[in-house]
Amino acid sequence: EIVLTQSPGTLSLSPGERATLSCRASQTVSSSYLVWYQQKPGQAPRLLIYGASSRATGIPDRFSGSGSGTDFTLTISRLEPEDFAVFYCQYYGSSGWTFGQGTKVEIK
Amino acid sequence: QVQLQESGPRLVKPSGTLSLTCAVSGGSISSSNWWSWVRQPPGKGLEWIGEIYHSGSTSYNPSLKSRVTISVDNSNNQFSLKLTSVTAADTGVYYCARGQTVVTSSWVYYMDVWGKGTTVTVSS
Repeated sequence: EIVLTQSPGTLSLSPGERATLSCRASQTVSSSYLVWYQQKPGQAPRLLIYGASSRATGIPDRFSGSGSGTDFTLTISRLEPEDFAVFYCQYYGSSGWTFGQGTKVEIK
Repeated sequence: QVQLQESGPRLVKPSGTLSLTCAVSGGSISSSNWWSWVRQPPGKGLEWIGEIYHSGSTSYNPSLKSRVTISVDNSNNQFSLKLTSVTAADTGVYYCARGQTVVTSSWVYYMDVWGKGTTVTVSS
């Protein structure tokens, strides 16, 4: 069973700064099934990145995904006020979907 | 544009059965998609419960498999979740979501449409 570990748990940054979020898998995984979501309080998750690096429809280009093997990264190039939220990585493997525990990006 | 709406009892007694339905609008549940249930305990992260295809094929989270049944109702364009022997640990927000598979340079899979979620509390 694949375990996804996200770090850091919380990231305190100011608007305009760069955010780098990590998702590490417990074993090598296929990039095709690595997904990132954003979730704001009281809302459902929103798809950001699929296939590790492809932006979903309507997602601003300040969001980017990269990585392969066991290490994946979500980067927000310049934080906008609406970007502060919790971010989850997700993977589809032989046992179905697995989520990371989330990284909270909060305003410093 | 496909939309999903969860419905069902908000309060379930311990040892009882949690039953929810997800209505699909703006599209057909018989399209080439998988349909999932995801839950989130208060203040915690997301947990996948299981998924179903319109043919009735299912896949469940191994940690919940013994208590979960997901079914599809193609005629009413909806799918349902039953979770038995519930405890307080099953309290949380339950989401339904559409799984989308796309061929780019390879197959990719993701959840692109989500319901707003419904809060279920397990309490006597």
